[in-house]
Amino acid sequence: NAGVTQTPKFQVLKTGQSMTLQCAQDMNHNSMYWYRQDPGMGLRLIYYSASEGTTDKGEVPNGYNVSRLNKREFSLRLESAAPSQTSVYFCASTEDGQGWGPQHFGDGTRLSIL
Amino acid sequence: DQQVKQNSPSLSVQEGRISILNCDYTNSMFDYFLWYKKYPAEGPTFLISISSIKDKNEDGRFTVFLNKSAKHLSLHIVPSQPGDSAVYFCAASASPQGGSEKLVFGKGTKLTVNP
Repeated sequence: NAGVTQTPKFQVLKTGQSMTLQCAQDMNHNSMYWYRQDPGMGLRLIYYSASEGTTDKGEVPNGYNVSRLNKREFSLRLESAAPSQTSVYFCASTEDGQGWGPQHFGDGTRLSIL
Repeated sequence: DQQVKQNSPSLSVQEGRISILNCDYTNSMFDYFLWYKKYPAEGPTFLISISSIKDKNEDGRFTVFLNKSAKHLSLHIVPSQPGDSAVYFCAASASPQGGSEKLVFGKGTKLTVNP
């Protein structure tokens, strides 16, 4: 089973460029999440989607937009990349954000902005 | 303000001995706690969880203890194995309905198990 798939795995951008990070899950989960992880830091929530058709801001949403394309896919867009957005980005999903199930993570997208 | 704190950035133990990883939290509304394990270049994988109605949960070699009055939880790994070497993240959530929505993560503790 693929679980949560993120593309691309690596990307280098120049300041000001735009980019969309893709995430898809095949577990029929309702809720999906985007996190970033910086060195020496835990994961911080950027945006989440509790169910298809809804999105909400997390702890660090500035500079990002999201789209819940359908139940399987949740994309993260950087409209004008900045060096401060250099990070590892993780997508996660869970069956039901109101249940007791843990979140399942993809392997991450490593993004460098020069 | 950091709501979930893992004060030990690293921990080194011998194979076969017990590993104890600690986590403190400040938000008294947290009612669900999880531990994740992360290997380099991979995403975090769920290890074990505990709800606030319990004080202990066990799964094989892994046991999580919750002390609500102290706002403290710990993960015990017995016996430790070299394959347990990874970064361990503590996470917590506060939700009226319960569940894992909007997790707050600690900074992680890097565990090294020496053969």
